[in-house]
Amino acid sequence: AQSVTQLDSHVSVSEGTPVLLRCNYSSSYSPSLFWYVQHPNKGLQLLLKYTSAATLVKGINGFEAEFKKSETSFHLTKPSAHMSDAAEYFCVTTGGFKTIFGAGTRLFVKA
Amino acid sequence: ETGVTQSPTHLIKTRGQQVTLRCSSQSGHNTVSWYQQALGQGPQFIFQYYREEENGRGNFPPRFSGLQFPNYSSELNVNALELDDSALYLCASSPDPGLASTDEQFFGPGTRLTVL
Repeated sequence: AQSVTQLDSHVSVSEGTPVLLRCNYSSSYSPSLFWYVQHPNKGLQLLLKYTSAATLVKGINGFEAEFKKSETSFHLTKPSAHMSDAAEYFCVTTGGFKTIFGAGTRLFVKA
Repeated sequence: ETGVTQSPTHLIKTRGQQVTLRCSSQSGHNTVSWYQQALGQGPQFIFQYYREEENGRGNFPPRFSGLQFPNYSSELNVNALELDDSALYLCASSPDPGLASTDEQFFGPGTRLTVL
């Protein structure tokens, strides 16, 4: 069965420093993987998606993620954090007609 | 292009009551999925509807049921409410159930349900 595990419930960075949010997946076949962001009182927004094309995926707002099959990972990165990046981030996969969310990582950005 | 809308925004019910939540999908989208997001957790998949039929379901009891209408809008019904049903309920639409698996789903802002 497909699943995702987000390795950190909270991550705190200083503004201008790199962001790393970690996600491992489990899948019996080539998975579809996504990162969504949820700002307070706003709907979920897609940051980027991997669907077996390029392993390095670029998304919106400077985020990118690399699919590593050997490590079963799909970590989200950003070179330089901005205050507006503070939010909840979800790693997501799909299986059949089901969508499976990770537990989420809360990103704090310090001034 | 109109996005996904949900109503009501907030709702308070008491244990044992029944509730209906509504969702209007994005224009051109025929697939709607519902999720339950408890406080501090990730969204949990409830079910998906495609052309008025349920075509996928998560680990939720039968008291969670749904409908999809010919215009592709959808309802989530929950009977015999329990305290643990308190959560944010999210609706998402996509143009095709296959694309819901490989492409972006568009989420509404959610309905906050509180069960007392």
